[in-house]
Amino acid sequence: NAGVMQNPRHLVRRRGQEARLRCSPMKGHSHVYWYRQLPEEGLKFMVYLQKENIIDESGMPKERFSAEFPKEGPSILRIQQVVRGDSAAYFCASSRTFEASTEAFFGQGTRLTVV
Amino acid sequence: AQSVTQLDSQVPVFEEAPVELRCNYSSSVSVYLFWYVQYPNQGLQLLLKYLSGSTLVKGINGFEAEFNKSQTSFHLRKPSVHISDTAEYFCAVSENNDMRFGAGTRLTVKP
Repeated sequence: NAGVMQNPRHLVRRRGQEARLRCSPMKGHSHVYWYRQLPEEGLKFMVYLQKENIIDESGMPKERFSAEFPKEGPSILRIQQVVRGDSAAYFCASSRTFEASTEAFFGQGTRLTVV
Repeated sequence: AQSVTQLDSQVPVFEEAPVELRCNYSSSVSVYLFWYVQYPNQGLQLLLKYLSGSTLVKGINGFEAEFNKSQTSFHLRKPSVHISDTAEYFCAVSENNDMRFGAGTRLTVKP
């Protein structure tokens, strides 16, 4: 059973371009969380999704950021018109359905650098 | 929604000294509590978790944490740290499958 897979591991984008970050949860997991870790800062919650639904996006910037978790395929975090301040590590985590006590399993993260 | 406060952003200690990393949470219902560790340039790994039962939880690498319901705390402790324990530590609370993290505590172990 593969762990949470994030790709790419490293992504470089010029200002104004779009960044797409992918997260494949562990098999059997239907809950996905996205977090952002800025340099020298802790983890900041961004969004919590279940299959085809956004449950809580209170941590997402109102503009340029969007997330989806389709019925088939990975969860995607999309950042449009990136700016230098978007440079950070973005972590995805997944957990199982119906087991609130289970821990979240993390991917290795995608390190976005905006030049 | 639930929230987590890690009171110390950085904790420097000498090797073989004891350490305590503090965590307080707020929630209106019963929750599950976790500690994760992040080594440089890596993802997060689970150290330990409290679900129910004994309030003292033992985890990997000699770490333990104590759940205190009246103080809404879940402090992480280790009696003697090693250089290899240098990392970022995150406390987390899960409520209805919604997990939230504290801002993290950077533990630096010096020789």
